[in-house]
Amino acid sequence: DTEVTQTPKHLVMGMTNKKSLKCEQHMGHRAMYWYKQKAKKPPELMFVYSYEKLSINESVPSRFSPECPNSSLLNLHLHALQPEDSALYLCASSQYKSPGETQYFGPGTRLLVL
Amino acid sequence: AQTVTQSQPEMSVQEAETVTLSCTYDTSESDYYLFWYKQPPSRQMILVIRQEAYKQQNATENRFSVNFQKAAKSFSLKISDSQLGDAAMYFCAYTTGANSKLTFGKGITLSVRP
Repeated sequence: DTEVTQTPKHLVMGMTNKKSLKCEQHMGHRAMYWYKQKAKKPPELMFVYSYEKLSINESVPSRFSPECPNSSLLNLHLHALQPEDSALYLCASSQYKSPGETQYFGPGTRLLVL
Repeated sequence: AQTVTQSQPEMSVQEAETVTLSCTYDTSESDYYLFWYKQPPSRQMILVIRQEAYKQQNATENRFSVNFQKAAKSFSLKISDSQLGDAAMYFCAYTTGANSKLTFGKGITLSVRP
């Protein structure tokens, strides 16, 4: 099973709201990723967790706060977002056992910030 | 810095015909990994094919094959017997595997004419 699930599928929030995106995988992968993708553009890496520790933060604004409660679950907490943060947020995972492994992507959460 | 270039923003192919999508990259590394990902209009990104740079043999997956030219830093994707379901955005991606970071090209939108 190579499935990464993400909830919710769609999210609309105001600039003062707090919301969370959730990502789950049951493939035993030890690396999980958050990407932001604008329409017709490639994904942009935001965060990487390896063995439940944050290993990469691509200088993402603090209004995005990642969390990895366990090896199967990855959250992205959102607070005081801006309209320009509207995008598709993709989660991915990989085994993290050897270099160049395939990343498996979830279907994404379509976020609209009003 | 590593870069991935997909110079054609759009291509079109007749159903059952063959199409080649171009990708070039720039790197000073000798050991790296290349990928083609497909993102249909439903948005879930899926792996099409993966190539390890140290392997001279071109990777193939059913109707999909690559032409990997290491000296020219070229990694093109050939789709044979194109099907309507091949219509999608295709991203070429690169990683050295050292930190699991994927560098994506800008992508190419492929349409398939019935």
